[in-house]
Amino acid sequence: AQSVSQHNHHVILSEAASLELGCNYSYGGTVNLFWYVQYPGQHLQLLLKYFSGDPLVKGIKGFEAEFIKSKFSFNLRKPSVQWSDTAEYFCAVISGGYNKLIFGAGTRLAVHP
Amino acid sequence: GAVVSQHPSWVICKSGTSVKIECRSLDFQATTMFWYRQFPKQSLMLMATSNEGSKATYEQGVEKDKFLINHASLTLSTLTVTSAHPEDSSFYICSAPHWDSTGELFFGEGSRLTVL
Repeated sequence: AQSVSQHNHHVILSEAASLELGCNYSYGGTVNLFWYVQYPGQHLQLLLKYFSGDPLVKGIKGFEAEFIKSKFSFNLRKPSVQWSDTAEYFCAVISGGYNKLIFGAGTRLAVHP
Repeated sequence: GAVVSQHPSWVICKSGTSVKIECRSLDFQATTMFWYRQFPKQSLMLMATSNEGSKATYEQGVEKDKFLINHASLTLSTLTVTSAHPEDSSFYICSAPHWDSTGELFFGEGSRLTVL
């Protein structure tokens, strides 16, 4: 069965610090990869996704993620975070054989001014 | 983007009663919808896949008689929590895939169930 691991459960940063959130998945076949964000009191929003092509994917709000197939990873990055980035971030995977979107446990990011 | 709407967004019920949550795709047809459950400060757990015109597919450990899913049309799926108990209190989220050229799953706003 496919699974998704997010290593950082809780991250605290100061504004302007750089961010990298780890995400690893277990499925060895073709995968589609997503990062979602959930701001306090709001529903999920898609940050970015990878289906094929350039493994470096750019999303909204200055976020990017890099798909490294050999490491089964899809880490999320942002060079300089803002207070408004405070939210919970979820990595998710759909594998070709399952057609279900499976979420990681989430990482709660707190950015201090 | 495409819109998925859930109703009600918040419901409180007494223990032993049943509660129905609706999920609608407002501007596209969805032959498949997914139902997730999110406990406080935890991730989304896939409960079941709702299929239009056929039975839902439940994930391991999810009681199908407890969580009744009906996908009556190409734009509507319902989740009924039967004989609800306090441990069923949670945030239920549906999503529908809108497999356009870029592909994306769209999520409803979620429905918060509190069972007293």
